[in-house]
Amino acid sequence: KAGVTQTPRYLIKTRGQQVTLSCSPISGHRSVSWYQQTPGQGLQFLFEYFSETQRNKGNFPGRFSGRQFSNSRSEMNVSTLELGDSALYLCASSSGLAGVNEQFFGPGTRLTVL
Amino acid sequence: KNQVEQSPQSLIILEGKNCTLQCNYTVSPFSNLRWYKQDTGRGPVSLTIMTFSENTKSNGRYTATLDADTKQSSLHITASQLSDSASYICVVSGGNTGTASKLTFGTGTRLQVTL
Repeated sequence: KAGVTQTPRYLIKTRGQQVTLSCSPISGHRSVSWYQQTPGQGLQFLFEYFSETQRNKGNFPGRFSGRQFSNSRSEMNVSTLELGDSALYLCASSSGLAGVNEQFFGPGTRLTVL
Repeated sequence: KNQVEQSPQSLIILEGKNCTLQCNYTVSPFSNLRWYKQDTGRGPVSLTIMTFSENTKSNGRYTATLDADTKQSSLHITASQLSDSASYICVVSGGNTGTASKLTFGTGTRLQVTL
């Protein structure tokens, strides 16, 4: 089985722009979760989608949004980028809800905001 | 407040030596506890996942223990190798506020194995 894939792997944007990141889960997995990782904060939970519905949401501003498609692929969007949004964005998939099922992480998208 | 604390923050050991990483949590109610290994710049990889009834779980040279009464877990690495150099993250599931358990992440222990 192919693992979790994320595109693009690297991205450079400027302040004020918006960005869309993509995540393809492991085949058959219905849950996709998104995380932001910075050196000082560790892994911070953004949101979880299961069967196209947002099931959990972390404490991030409304500039961060996501969606999940019928094939379980997920996208995350960040609008009006700020310097502090520079981070490694990870997505993880699981067969069921993340809280009770093992998660498999993708390689991440490294976002740099200039 | 649900919290996961890991110690030490960082650790340097010689190749071939053993080490133990600690994880204390306050998450309640408890569902499960996970240990991940994360190489620099890459996504975390699952090492173990333990439920309330499991005291010990092994994955090769990695052995995790869980004491649900004291809310403590440890990850023991035996005969360390250079490739064990990574961050090790403890994650606890639980603290239900609705229908979905939430995951609370520790900030990790950075392990460096040297010659």
